[in-house]
Formats: sequence, structure tokens, C-alpha cells
Amino acid sequence: GENVEQHPSTLSVQEGDSAVIKCTYSDSASNYFPWYKQELGKRPQLIIDIRSNVGEKKDQRIAVTLNKTAKHFSLHITETQPEDSAVYFCAASKIYGQNFVFGPGTRLSVLP
Amino acid sequence: NAGVTQTPKFQVLKTGQSMTLQCAQDMNHEYMSWYRQDPGMGLRLIHYSVGAGITDQGEVPNGYNVSRSTTEDFPLRLLSAAPSQTSVYFCASSYVLAGEGEQYFGPGTRLTVT
Repeated sequence: GENVEQHPSTLSVQEGDSAVIKCTYSDSASNYFPWYKQELGKRPQLIIDIRSNVGEKKDQRIAVTLNKTAKHFSLHITETQPEDSAVYFCAASKIYGQNFVFGPGTRLSVLP
Repeated sequence: NAGVTQTPKFQVLKTGQSMTLQCAQDMNHEYMSWYRQDPGMGLRLIHYSVGAGITDQGEVPNGYNVSRSTTEDFPLRLLSAAPSQTSVYFCASSYVLAGEGEQYFGPGTRLTVT
């Protein structure tokens, strides 16, 4: 089955710097890659997603890139703010909106 | 819309007890699923359903049962609780349509088995 790895497990950056989180997946049939943000004690919430027919997607300070050949995708957050501090999860699935396989998460801390 | 709701928020069980975690959504989503979240392991899929009367196993189904008699409800049953089932449980739902990818998560149930 699908296996998703995620690095780093923890990441600390200074406010205003950029943060990059990388994920790799094993199943070439996966075609949908969402990123979820989870604040302490809260539910995961979608922040951005990308589909296999697209190489990059941006939404304000957040961007995701996908390399299908290498089977990896990355989350880029620019101009980080303290409210970006949370755990970020990548995921992969073969069907939009169904049966996500999640990475283990990255704890991002943005230091003021 | 209330979105995805879960009850209870917290539960403590003794080993061997059974219980049902409730999940409901009011968005008319066909797809519903249960995940468990353990430290350092992300979320793992337990069971899922693509519509009323249809359920299937995910990555970690052992010790859990589900049923889907209505579009709105998708309860998760623990048959005989074990300490290894101590976890945070999230229910999620989404549309089963091309172009609709987001899964909406409920607030979670924190379960402790002693």
C-alpha cells in the first residue's frame, strides 16, 4: 500500500523567514496531495492541495510543488508569522477526497 | 451548517468495555471515514464508507466495527477496548465527486483505555 514520509519532523524558523516541508510517496497511482494544518487540540484543516496534473499551486503565502517523476511534493510558507505555528500533515490518495494516507507530521514553530 | 460533529469529546474506558463513538454530518457528503491519531504517526484510516449501506476497511480496522444506515451518521464501535486503542479519533467526510477533494474533519474524541 501507499507509504508517505515527511521531513523534517520539527522545524523552527524566525518570523518572516520561509519554511519548507517535504513529503515523498510510494504509490505512483496517487493523484491527489492535500496539506492539513492542525493547531494544538484542534481538528486538521485543509490549507492547500494539488492534483497530479499540476506542478505548482499558490495561495497567498502558501505554495505546494509536485514532482510526479520523483514522487515527492513540498509545502512552502513564505513570510512566516507566529500564527503559522502548528503541526502540518501531508497526505496522498488515489481518489479525490477519499482514503488519505498521511505523513507523520511536521511541528513548525515560528519564533518572534 | 454544523459540519461534522462528534460525541463524546472525551471518554475513559476500562479494558474489555465496549462503546460507540458517534459521528454526524449535515453536508450531504457521501464519503465518511474514521481516523485515529497517535503521537508521531499522523492519522491512520480505520474504516470508511462511500454511501449508506457501504463500508470498507482502512489501514487499521482490527478491533473496530462500523455501519452506515443513513447518509448523515457513521458510528464507530469498539468491541472490547484495549489500551492500544488509546488515541484521538477523528471522523471526516467529503463529496464523492470528481473535483471535490477536501475532507472535513470533526473536532475529535479523545479516548483513554485503562
